[in-house]
Amino acid sequence: DQQVKQNSPSLSVQEGRISILNCDYTNSMFDYFLWYKKYPAEGPTFLISISSIKDKNEDGRFTVFLNKSAKHLSLHIVPSQPGDSAVYFCAARRMEYGNKLVFGAGTILRVKS
Amino acid sequence: DSGVTQTPKHLITATGQRVTLRCSPRSGDLSVYWYQQSLDQGLQFLIQYYNGEERAKGNILERFSAQQFPDLHSELNLSSLELGDSALYFCASSVAGQGTNSPLHFGNGTRLTVT
Repeated sequence: DQQVKQNSPSLSVQEGRISILNCDYTNSMFDYFLWYKKYPAEGPTFLISISSIKDKNEDGRFTVFLNKSAKHLSLHIVPSQPGDSAVYFCAARRMEYGNKLVFGAGTILRVKS
Repeated sequence: DSGVTQTPKHLITATGQRVTLRCSPRSGDLSVYWYQQSLDQGLQFLIQYYNGEERAKGNILERFSAQQFPDLHSELNLSSLELGDSALYFCASSVAGQGTNSPLHFGNGTRLTVT
């Protein structure tokens, strides 16, 4: 049972344009959502998060949007840079289950210069 | 650098063998998590420890076990290894075990290859 889904295995974007990565979840009890970025041969690096009581969180070029009614969140990167090329994982947590995270399968982002 | 240290980086062993993966959390973090990433898949939660006590368990096989020591480092023991156990094993740490919105910080993983 995959509770967090990233339906796009890969995404290719031109440098300077917007990258939009999408994530859907099935468990309405999730209360905290995160995005991680992963480069080859490295561990996932925390990027940005959002609590279920918010619908938007912004940090520099990165913005996460949460649509609870649709059980959907997205990560916007503006403007995209070649260094953003990586695998992006969406993750979610249900507080009563502790701090463990449930991850999506990831989306490979390639930013072309 | 996340501050989470995992050793070894690579491990190659034969079926039926037993291995131990080691993790040192970030300074000040009390909680340690183990995740498995098989080829082309997301990270699958295995187990969590908080201040030496098991806090949560995922789909961890009975052949696998873990512990967290008084100095807060953790070890993941994998025994009777099978080819399908070949994967990246990540350790992560966080300040709290639950109740706070604190992200997990990951190490660079141990790549296990079972031949």
